[in-house]
Amino acid sequence: DARVTQTPRHKVTEMGQEVTMRCQPILGHNTVFWYRQTMMQGLELLAYFRNRAPLDDSGMPKDRFSAEMPDATLATLKIQPSEPRDSAVYFCASGLVIGTGELFFGEGSRLTVL
Amino acid sequence: LAKTTQPISMDSYEGQEVNITCSHNNIATNDYITWYQQFPSQGPRFIIQGYKTKVTNEVASLFIPADRKSSTLSLPRVSLSDTAVYYCLVAGDDKIIFGKGTRLHILP
Repeated sequence: DARVTQTPRHKVTEMGQEVTMRCQPILGHNTVFWYRQTMMQGLELLAYFRNRAPLDDSGMPKDRFSAEMPDATLATLKIQPSEPRDSAVYFCASGLVIGTGELFFGEGSRLTVL
Repeated sequence: LAKTTQPISMDSYEGQEVNITCSHNNIATNDYITWYQQFPSQGPRFIIQGYKTKVTNEVASLFIPADRKSSTLSLPRVSLSDTAVYYCLVAGDDKIIFGKGTRLHILP
């Protein structure tokens, strides 16, 4: 059963530390999205890639967040340095025919920054 | 990007049919209408999509009028396990933006 895999599932860290979240999209999917979810803001789009190229990362705080796709099987989201306001659940999603809006989400990485 | 508007929350009872309506007045010609379901501590799950008229699958039905400025997700005979947040979104060949969703609470 194909699925999007995210690691770590949970991360607790201290302010100022670097955090890296990883995502393995479904094999064959050419588009990857990163979202952040909090109670206050809901699901926010941070960045998305098509064929490994970043198309839009306007939702990310540029000074501390970075997103990359080193290869077709791995997407990474890095926060350096982390801050308490970054505490949220981070979701990765992949898709093939984005025009229809069909995405497959991972289970998320819950980040707590103390 | 077409903005969507849907009720913040809804309550219903087990066994009832639930209809959640979403408005998207600025939908573009190439946009599809897509609905997702999200349970606590899980990622959103795609449940249905459509372009016009009616679409039905094993989970839900989606009704889209001719002008496509709104859509209605219909859940037949809901159960307690249908308690979740339901998101309506409009997607073209571009980024996919989620709104606040409708928090559906099913009562026994």
